[in-house]
Amino acid sequence: EVQLLESGGDLVQPGGSLRLSCAASGFTFSSYALSWVRQAPGKGLEWVAAISGSGGSTYYADSVKGRFTISRDNSKNTLYLQMNSLRAEDTALYYCAKKMANGPNPFDYWGQGTLVTVSS
Amino acid sequence: EIVLTQSPGTLSLSPGERATLSCRASQTVSSNYLAWYQQKPGQAPRLLIYGASTRATGIPDRFSGSGSGTDFTLTISRLEADDFAVYCCHQYSNTPLTFGEGTKVEIK
Repeated sequence: EVQLLESGGDLVQPGGSLRLSCAASGFTFSSYALSWVRQAPGKGLEWVAAISGSGGSTYYADSVKGRFTISRDNSKNTLYLQMNSLRAEDTALYYCAKKMANGPNPFDYWGQGTLVTVSS
Repeated sequence: EIVLTQSPGTLSLSPGERATLSCRASQTVSSNYLAWYQQKPGQAPRLLIYGASTRATGIPDRFSGSGSGTDFTLTISRLEADDFAVYCCHQYSNTPLTFGEGTKVEIK
């Protein structure tokens, strides 16, 4: 059974940093691209960043480019999101999501999310 | 960036009725790389439809997707109690990946 378990969410002050983790199990981790997708309270889903199975390719939304870094450790089956220079508008539930297959594909599995609150 | 606009924002229907949800893209979604998700309060999104019309594993056949280019539709043929939720569309043809704001299907 595929499982994605996010952690690391917290209350942080504007300008601060946070690192989110997503521990994966139930599939061949290195074979699948993964993404972070966030959802602000009462709002829709917003894609944040993606990383290829090998980790060699990364992609970012303009809203986080230069502030967030996505990475993965295939030996630990873990996905990360390093978040720097946090802003109030980064407040959201952050999900990690697995892409269904190589190439253009939707997300077939999602974690339950970890909450990031940016506030003074 | 492909902007996805969903309508209506809220759909009030009774169990057994048919639900028709719309998702319009600001530009052509190539190869119909369009998916639909269901989301309930406090839960992660659940993949229903991908490739505009292919049901994901385990999704009942009362859910169907159609459309191409810029206009897509999710139809729930006969609403069951478990179907009252928020539905959002998602294009994965290119980055940035984008989602619609969602349509809430509520009990009338």
